[in-house]
Amino acid sequence: AQTVTQSQPEMSVQEAETVTLSCTYDTSESDYYLFWYKQPPSRQMILVIRQEAYKQQNATENRFSVNFQKAAKSFSLKISDSQLGDAAMYFCAYRSYTGANSKLTFGKGITLSVRP
Amino acid sequence: DGGITQSPKYLFRKEGQNVTLSCEQNLNHDAMYWYRQDPGQGLRLIYYSQIVNDFQKGDIAEGYSVSREKKESFPLTVTSAQKNPTAFYLCASRDREDYGYTFGSGTRLTVV
Repeated sequence: AQTVTQSQPEMSVQEAETVTLSCTYDTSESDYYLFWYKQPPSRQMILVIRQEAYKQQNATENRFSVNFQKAAKSFSLKISDSQLGDAAMYFCAYRSYTGANSKLTFGKGITLSVRP
Repeated sequence: DGGITQSPKYLFRKEGQNVTLSCEQNLNHDAMYWYRQDPGQGLRLIYYSQIVNDFQKGDIAEGYSVSREKKESFPLTVTSAQKNPTAFYLCASRDREDYGYTFGSGTRLTVV
């Protein structure tokens, strides 16, 4: 079974600075998807960024980018120019490529606070 | 606008009672999922359904039941057999061709 590990329960960043959230995963599969979800105080889950394992290029969405290291099974999220609205819980998640087993497996999450 | 509606937002239940959480989507998505969220535990999968009239147990299905009689609806019943039901419950759906999930806004269940 796949597992997702987020070892840091909390992090803090100064507004306008850059922060990196770590995530590692364990799988025997070669094709899969990886995601970062944001959960603000409203508790609505919001997709931040996704990465297909077969793509070598790291995904980027505006101020959010990932560092995907497939051999190391590492998938970190970098937030540049941090804003107060980035304060939330962030979850790393894994999904198998094959549709018959398409459930998302989540890490335990990390709480990010942003200092003004 | 298309989306997932979970109701109610807050739910209180007495011990020993069954309660049903509603999840409705108008996205025409095939697959639907129920997750439970506890502090420090992340999201854990309870049940999921790939098509109508079919569903599979997730990692923590004991004490829960579901049905999928319509594509749009995937209600979750928390039975009296669930030993610790107080939690935040999230419903999600996924289109066959899509990568990620669309989530509802959740239901906070409290056993009193």
